[in-house]
Amino acid sequence: NAGVMQNPRHLVRRRGQEARLRCSPMKGHSHVYWYRQLPEEGLKFMVYLQKENIIDESGMPKERFSAEFPKEGPSILRIQQVVRGDSAAYFCASSPTGQPNYGYTFGSGTRLTVV
Amino acid sequence: KQEVTQIPAALSVPEGENLVLNCSFTDSAIYNLQWFRQDPGKGLTSLLLIQSSQREQTSGRLNASLDKSSGRSTLYIAASQPGDSATYLCAVILNTGGFKTIFGAGTRLFVKA
Repeated sequence: NAGVMQNPRHLVRRRGQEARLRCSPMKGHSHVYWYRQLPEEGLKFMVYLQKENIIDESGMPKERFSAEFPKEGPSILRIQQVVRGDSAAYFCASSPTGQPNYGYTFGSGTRLTVV
Repeated sequence: KQEVTQIPAALSVPEGENLVLNCSFTDSAIYNLQWFRQDPGKGLTSLLLIQSSQREQTSGRLNASLDKSSGRSTLYIAASQPGDSATYLCAVILNTGGFKTIFGAGTRLFVKA
């Protein structure tokens, strides 16, 4: 079991470019959660998706950010026209159902640097 | 609004010492609570999960307790080792009609050899 796979591990983008972050959940998990961690801060919830559906996007900025989890393939977190304030570590977690009876399994994260 | 506070923010101890990390939360209606370890520049590793109906969980040198009425959880590390140096994160999972996870800012632990 490969666990939750995120790629790339590190991503550098210039201001105004687009960033695409990928997350493949654990085998058998159909629920995906994205979190952002700013330097010296805890993780903040962004969005919760189930296959082909966004369940809760209350933590995601309304502009420039979008997320999807297609029927086939990984979940994608997309940040358009990146700004320096988007520099952070982005983590993905997955669970087999919407009830976290066994907690969450996290990936290793993608560290985005905007220059 | 649920807040999760971890005290202390940072801790430095000599090897072999027993230590306690604290996590407090404002809303007692939690579903469960999960402790994670995060090494610098790495992802989160789950250490212990406590269901809301449980009082504690143990894994090796780690013991986590949960007191919902007082809004507290503690992570006890026995006989600390330099390899325990990391940031420890407390995550409270709420059921508010949907599940939400609130993280504390973490405790940075350094165990000196």
